[in-house]
Amino acid sequence: ETGVTQSPTHLIKTRGQQVTLRCSSQSGHNTVSWYQQALGQGPQFIFQYYREEENGRGNFPPRFSGLQFPNYSSELNVNALELDDSALYLCASSGQGSSVASTDTQYFGPGTRLTVL
Amino acid sequence: AQSVTQLDSQVPVFEEAPVELRCNYSSSVSVYLFWYVQYPNQGLQLLLKYLSGSTLVKSINGFEAEFNKSQTSFHLRKPSVHISDTAEYFCAVRGGGTALIFGKGTTLSVSS
Repeated sequence: ETGVTQSPTHLIKTRGQQVTLRCSSQSGHNTVSWYQQALGQGPQFIFQYYREEENGRGNFPPRFSGLQFPNYSSELNVNALELDDSALYLCASSGQGSSVASTDTQYFGPGTRLTVL
Repeated sequence: AQSVTQLDSQVPVFEEAPVELRCNYSSSVSVYLFWYVQYPNQGLQLLLKYLSGSTLVKSINGFEAEFNKSQTSFHLRKPSVHISDTAEYFCAVRGGGTALIFGKGTTLSVSS
């Protein structure tokens, strides 16, 4: 069984640029959630994708967008990067059923460390 | 809306001592509760979870947590810690929505 993988592991961008982060879900999982973890803070929910559709969104501006592909892998795109976007971005996969259940356990990848200069 | 408060930002203990990491939550709906652990420069690993049934849940490495509905708490305990338990611990809650709501974390530092 393959766990959740994320790429790249580290990334440095400058303010105003755009970035794409990638996530491969655990084998058999059909739901991907993205979180932002600022230094010294707990993760904050960005959004979730279930079967290629956005299935919930946290308090993040529209310049944070995502995609989920037929193989359930996912991308997080951030446009017009700001200094405060510097954080660890975590992807979590879950779910094997015909709908998203609150009891589904989310399994996290190792994260992508984004630094915005 | 749900929220999570981890009452201690840092907990220093000596090896083989007991430890308790405190977590309180607020929610207007029934919740599911989780503890995750994060080692330096790594992602989050699920430690244990409460979904329903017995209010006392245990992990394979000796941690346990008890769901207390009246006190809205889900404190994490271990009777004897090891150096290798040094990490950041996050309590999280999930209500009827899709998101996990995390606390700010507690740094457990175990020294010899």
